[in-house]
Parts: sequence; C-alpha cells; structure tokens
Amino acid sequence: SAVISQKPSRDICQRGTSLTIQCQVDSQVTMMFWYRQQPGQSLTLIATANQGSEATYESGFVIDKFPISRPNLTFSTLTVSNMSPEDSSIYLCSVEDGRSYNEQFFGPGTRLTVL
Amino acid sequence: QKEVEQNSGPLSVPEGAIASLNCTYSDRVSQSFFWYRQYSGKSPELIMSIYSNGDKEDGRFTAQLNKASQYVSLLIRDSQPSDSATYLCAVNKGGGSYIPTFGRGTSLIVHP
Repeated sequence: SAVISQKPSRDICQRGTSLTIQCQVDSQVTMMFWYRQQPGQSLTLIATANQGSEATYESGFVIDKFPISRPNLTFSTLTVSNMSPEDSSIYLCSVEDGRSYNEQFFGPGTRLTVL
Repeated sequence: QKEVEQNSGPLSVPEGAIASLNCTYSDRVSQSFFWYRQYSGKSPELIMSIYSNGDKEDGRFTAQLNKASQYVSLLIRDSQPSDSATYLCAVNKGGGSYIPTFGRGTSLIVHP
C-alpha cells in the first residue's frame, strides 16, 4: 500500500487563525480524501480531492472554511480557516491507491487543538 | 437509522479466545465492506476487505458477509492483548461510489 505522511503531526492554535495541513504520498494516486475524527467519534469525510479539479465537499463542510489544494498526484493540503475550539479534532488524509478495489489507506493524522 | 451500526462496546475477551465483532448496514446496494483497526492515538489501519457473501480468512482474522441480512462481522481467533483496539466497520455504497461510510467502532479489550 501507499506510504502517506502528514505535517504537522500536531499543533495548538489560537482562535481565529488558520492552519494548513500537508499530505504527501510516495506514489501517484488519483483519489485523496480528507477526514475529521473528533474525540470518541468515528470518521467524518470532509471532502474528496482529485488532481486537476475542484474538491468535492460533503454536506456540512464548505470551501471557505476548509479550502483544499491538490496540485499533483502525490500531494494535497487542507486548510482549517478562522478556527474555533469546535475545530479541535484529528484530521486525516487517506488515499485510494487503485491497486485494490475501493480500499483506503490513511496517513498518521494531525492532532489539532484550538484554544 | 444509522447507515452503519456497531456496538460501541467495550467487548472484553480473555487472551486466546475468539473475539466476534459485528456490523450492520442499511443500504441494500452496498458492495464493498472493510474492517479497520485503530489503536488509541493512531490512524485507522485496513485489516480486511470483503466483497462477496461468505467468509474470507487472513491469518487469525475472518471476515463474514451476509448481504441478505445486511451484516458483516469480523472474527479474531486466538486473541492477543495486542489486538486491543477499536475496530471500525466501513461500507461502500453501490453505484460506483468510492466513498465508505464508517461505523463508530467497537472497542475490543483482550485481557491476559
């Protein structure tokens, strides 16, 4: 499976600021996904990021709050804008590497705390 | 009705026993089914995928799928303390969807 890295691994931010999370994959992949996992909860999909097109956002998530870039087939960023304490969560990127039908593989995650 | 349901547990089993984890789903056209393991503070790790009715075995893990009854289960034989984790069930809808819906997970505790 693809090897995925994320930066930063964790951060503590002030209310009203923005944080950009990077996701790097060791191979070219078509499908990349961004999830949020709040404490004790399951995974919630924020958006799907395909190279060369606008990200597709799930209900409840908007581009102004979570802008996403996908400049090439190995890299994506998610920005959490104008943060509030409710944005404190773990943010995960995942990929479908195309070798196994619909299987997704996750990066290590970014633990975000907003004060 | 939630799309993917799991008992949150915790499910506690003694070392060496069989742990049985269950998941039900609501969308009858679902086609792909996955089990992920998530250790505390870590990201989910794919351990099994299953696409056809019946059993699929991989080492100590067996996934079972029954589309008519809309459930998928994971059996862990000879459970070890290192199996203690949260197990997430994920289900892809049909119609070419590549996006899984995750259950909330079942916490498994294997005690020595």
